[in-house]
Amino acid sequence: SYELTQPPSVSVSPGQTARITCSGDALPKHYAYWYQQKPGQAPVLVIYKDSERPSGIPERFSGSSSGTTVTLTISGVQAEDEADYYCQSADSAGTYRVFGGGTKLTVL
Amino acid sequence: EVQLVESGGGLIQPGGSLRVTCAVSGFPVSNNYMSWVRQAPGKGLEWVSVIYISGSTYYADSVKGRFTISRDNSKNTLYLQMDSLRVEDTAMYYCARESGAPFVGWFDPWGQGTLVTVSS
Repeated sequence: SYELTQPPSVSVSPGQTARITCSGDALPKHYAYWYQQKPGQAPVLVIYKDSERPSGIPERFSGSSSGTTVTLTISGVQAEDEADYYCQSADSAGTYRVFGGGTKLTVL
Repeated sequence: EVQLVESGGGLIQPGGSLRVTCAVSGFPVSNNYMSWVRQAPGKGLEWVSVIYISGSTYYADSVKGRFTISRDNSKNTLYLQMDSLRVEDTAMYYCARESGAPFVGWFDPWGQGTLVTVSS
């Protein structure tokens, strides 16, 4: 079955830039999306169509795509950004939705 | 106001059946792709099933043949019928609207989830 690969954890100090990657063979064919999930809460969309930011999401969140890897970048990380982040896309056929394993962002 | 409210979770024995419900307000389920996503305790997100505007349905391999997604347009409600439940189906079950059709899109908004526990 198709998989999206994320690093299990990323740590940064406040004010620094955090980059979370997501790799998958079908990413050149389909958009990627990113979600933030804090403990005890439902996920929240932070990036759609690789690099678009929903209304209400701070400008420090951005997304990019290059080949089989997409990247979520959080510039000027704040303590409130500490959360789990998940990428999501589709399999090659565009039928099955797939999530990455998730990345725990720790703000030191 | 757009809102999704799940209900119907609970404790069920292995091999049993359960139906979870997602009551939607603010948009018609009939005109949207709708999905179920689950999250086992302490684990990541796992997509479970989608129902298209056309009524076509798709399932993750882990639930195919055991789970059935459906909707009631008159009640603006989404359902997930879960049969032959296994311990590994224990999870928080979220419903979500999928935007971006006809391509595989993004999930927004999400409900708050309903917890299903499969245990003897």
